[in-house]
Amino acid sequence: DAKTTQPPSMDCAEGRAANLPCNHSTISGNEYVYWYRQIHSQGPQYIIHGLKNNETNEMASLIITEDRKSSTLILPHATLRDTAVYYCIVGPGTASKLTFGTGTRLQVTL
Amino acid sequence: KAGVTQTPRYLIKTRGQQVTLSCSPISGHRSVSWYQQTPGQGLQFLFEYFSETQRNKGNFPGRFSGRQFSNSRSEMNVSTLELGDSALYLCASSLERSQFFGPGTRLTVL
Repeated sequence: DAKTTQPPSMDCAEGRAANLPCNHSTISGNEYVYWYRQIHSQGPQYIIHGLKNNETNEMASLIITEDRKSSTLILPHATLRDTAVYYCIVGPGTASKLTFGTGTRLQVTL
Repeated sequence: KAGVTQTPRYLIKTRGQQVTLSCSPISGHRSVSWYQQTPGQGLQFLFEYFSETQRNKGNFPGRFSGRQFSNSRSEMNVSTLELGDSALYLCASSLERSQFFGPGTRLTVL
């Protein structure tokens, strides 16, 4: 599986957009980009995934660059409940074997 | 729809003992994956079962094993427990490209 690089931590003010970057320069053509988050002591929560096109759901938007070497997860209006570790994962389409890195610890503040 | 359930939620064992953890996937999900999470190693993939067959395996010793039943429920077993096996064990069931995690079983080995 391709590896990803994420900043270890980020801060965001409540109500503002949180933009979490991820580099995956060795991604192969059939690999997807997945985002999960883990709130303290809970199981990871699926957020969104994409292959080539930008994606949006009720939780977030995923922007993938045209060369697919990087992506950005956008939480449009961050709340305190979005404080968590966010994992960017690159993997096959089956998504049943995920390789988690160290993620980005997002702290949303008042 | 009920989420992934794991039992027990907490467990304390001593070195040398064995332990069995249980996971019930979301109804209709046929793939079940297991992960180990420790502060030092992060989230690591153990194995995946699909239709009662192990489909993927991570880099763990043979003391870690699992199985899946015809109703997709899964169990994992750790024999001859070591102190380093203390961890949060997470189960996830998959549908297409989304994995849904349970709350985990926190195992403490004394």
